[in-house]
Amino acid sequence: QVQLVESGGGLVKPGGSLRLSCAASGFTFSDYYMSWIRQAPGKGLEWVSYITGSGTTIYYADSVKGRFTISRDNAKNSLYLQMNSLRAEDTAVYFCARSNWGFDYWGQGTLLTVSS
Amino acid sequence: VLTQSPGTLSLSPGERATLSCRASQSVSNNYLAWYQQKPGQAPRRLIYDASSRATGIPDRFSGSASGTDFTLTISRLEPEDFAVYYCQQYGSSSWTFGQGTKVEIK
Repeated sequence: QVQLVESGGGLVKPGGSLRLSCAASGFTFSDYYMSWIRQAPGKGLEWVSYITGSGTTIYYADSVKGRFTISRDNAKNSLYLQMNSLRAEDTAVYFCARSNWGFDYWGQGTLLTVSS
Repeated sequence: VLTQSPGTLSLSPGERATLSCRASQSVSNNYLAWYQQKPGQAPRRLIYDASSRATGIPDRFSGSASGTDFTLTISRLEPEDFAVYYCQQYGSSSWTFGQGTKVEIK
């Protein structure tokens, strides 16, 4: 069965950096686009970034462009999100999701809190 | 931009729910999905390509499209259907969600 497990969240000071990871299993990872989506406390969903199966094409939301970097290691069945220059407004639960006609499988999310 | 309405829908079990999602420009190939999210859970995809039901989704959920207007209909609300619903477009290189509609028990 498809499983996505995020890790790496935590408390970071404004201006700091953090890398999130998503371990995938139960499907051929390299065949699928993968995405990061976030949800600020009590707010709606915001798509953050996606990466194609080969990793050659990447897109970002304007709110994170230039600060966040998505990547993947198909040999390790893993997706990553490197987050730099973090701001308070980046505080959210970060979900990884398989991108297949929308998002057909989601992880349970990892919480990032940006606060001094 | 995807604009969902209403923000909150107050209905009773057994009633019909009609949720709207309006796109500010055309959505390529009607590449629009609907999700259900309950508190503390990850979202669940209900509908993709505007009207195709995802695997395992009950047939009381249906989606339709007319130009830039998209609709999610729940024919008869079950107790487990009270949740927040989001639309999302994947027809451009920058994907976006609507702001959500909460379906609450009246």
